[in-house]
Amino acid sequence: KAGVTQTPRYLIKTRGQQVTLSCSPISGHRSVSWYQQTPGQGLQFLFEYFSETQRNKGNFPGRFSGRQFSNSRSEMNVSTLELGDSALYLCASSFRSGTNEKLFFGSGTQLSVL
Amino acid sequence: AQSVTQLDSQVPVFEEAPVELRCNYSSSVSVYLFWYVQYPNQGLQLLLKYLSGSTLVKGINGFEAEFNKSQTSFHLRKPSVHISDTAEYFCAVSGGGATNKLIFGTGTLLAVQP
Repeated sequence: KAGVTQTPRYLIKTRGQQVTLSCSPISGHRSVSWYQQTPGQGLQFLFEYFSETQRNKGNFPGRFSGRQFSNSRSEMNVSTLELGDSALYLCASSFRSGTNEKLFFGSGTQLSVL
Repeated sequence: AQSVTQLDSQVPVFEEAPVELRCNYSSSVSVYLFWYVQYPNQGLQLLLKYLSGSTLVKGINGFEAEFNKSQTSFHLRKPSVHISDTAEYFCAVSGGGATNKLIFGTGTLLAVQP
């Protein structure tokens, strides 16, 4: 089975631009979560989607948004980029939504904002 | 609110020596606890988890952790480390329910030296 695929692997943007990151979960997985990883703040939960519905959202400004498609693929969008948005964005998938579920993480998208 | 504290940012250890990575949590509700490992340029991989039952949890790659409710700790141990264990280790907590949201600690870099 293919793992969680995140594209692109690396991205360079300038302040004020917007960016869209993509995540393809493991086949059959219906839950997708997004995390932001930075050296200063560590790993922080962004949001979670299950069957195209947002289940949970972290404490991030409205510039961060996401969605999930009927095939469970997910995208996250960051508008009006700021320097502080530079981070590794990780996507994780699981079969269901719930603490018992094992999360499978992708390798992430490294976003650099200049 | 839940939080996780990993007391050591870096733990150097010689190959074949035992190691303990410390994790303390804070929560007002029952918790579920996890340890994840992140190798360079990769996503996170689940090492082990505690949901209920036996307080000693065994995971992959020879790691184990012990849940101690009175000390609110969930320390990770391995009796003999290998060079290949060099990675960042993250402790995480969840409050349960129908969500994949995890609260992560700041991570501990395990540096195994020959």
